[in-house]
Amino acid sequence: EVQLVESGGGLIQPGGSLRLSCAASGFTVSSNYMSWVRQAPGKGLEWVSVIYSGGSTYYADSVKGRFTISRDNSKNTLYLQMNSLRAEDTAVYYCASANYYDSSGILFDYWGQGTLVTVSS
Amino acid sequence: DIQMTQSPSSLSASVGDRVTITCRASQSISSYLNWYQQKPGKAPKLLIYAASSLQSGVPSRFSGSGSGTDFTLTISSLQPEDFATYYCQQSYSTPIFTFGPGTKVDIK
Repeated sequence: EVQLVESGGGLIQPGGSLRLSCAASGFTVSSNYMSWVRQAPGKGLEWVSVIYSGGSTYYADSVKGRFTISRDNSKNTLYLQMNSLRAEDTAVYYCASANYYDSSGILFDYWGQGTLVTVSS
Repeated sequence: DIQMTQSPSSLSASVGDRVTITCRASQSISSYLNWYQQKPGKAPKLLIYAASSLQSGVPSRFSGSGSGTDFTLTISSLQPEDFATYYCQQSYSTPIFTFGPGTKVDIK
C-alpha cells in the first residue's frame, strides 16, 4: 500500500527556515516524480515544486530561490527546505507522487495528509 | 503562464441531482487536464485524468470531457459523499502546473 507521511511543520517567524519531510512507503521515491503542493487556510491548491526521477527540479515563481526540493534515496524520503519564509507561505503543505502517462500528462495520484506551516511573529 | 478558471465557484444541489462543473484554460492545453475532489481537512483525491479517463476506484457517476480550453466534470447522480470542493489542474505546461480556484458543492 502506498503511503506518504509529512512532518516538520510548525510555527516559524518571518525570515526563518524550516525543512519538511515526506516519508514514503509502498513505492520508491527515486523512481517517481514527486511534488509539493500547498493550501493556504481557506484557499485553493497551489503547486510548489517537483523533482523528477532523474533529479531535475522545478519551482513555482512564488518560491523560486527560497525553497529547495530534494530526496534521500536511502531513507525513501522527500524534503522541502524552506528559507526566507514569509507570512504568505502559511499553508498546509502536501507531498504527492506525480505519475505520468506521456511527456505532458502528469497527475498527482497519491497524497500525504499534509503538514501545517505557520509563518508569524 | 496558463491560468485556470472554474465556474461556478460554488453550487448547492440535492442528492440525486446531475451536477456539472466547468474549467477553462487561458490557452489550449489539449487534453492535459485532471480533476480532484477534496473534503474538509483531507488531502485531494484524483478523480479524472487526461480530461476524460476515470482514475481506478472512482465511481462511474463521475465523468469528464473537453479538450483545448474548455472542460467539464459531471456527476450524474449526486451522492451524500460527493459534497466537497472540486479542482481542475493542467499539466500542459509541465514542469509547471496550475490548479483552478475550486468549486464547492454543498447541500441544498
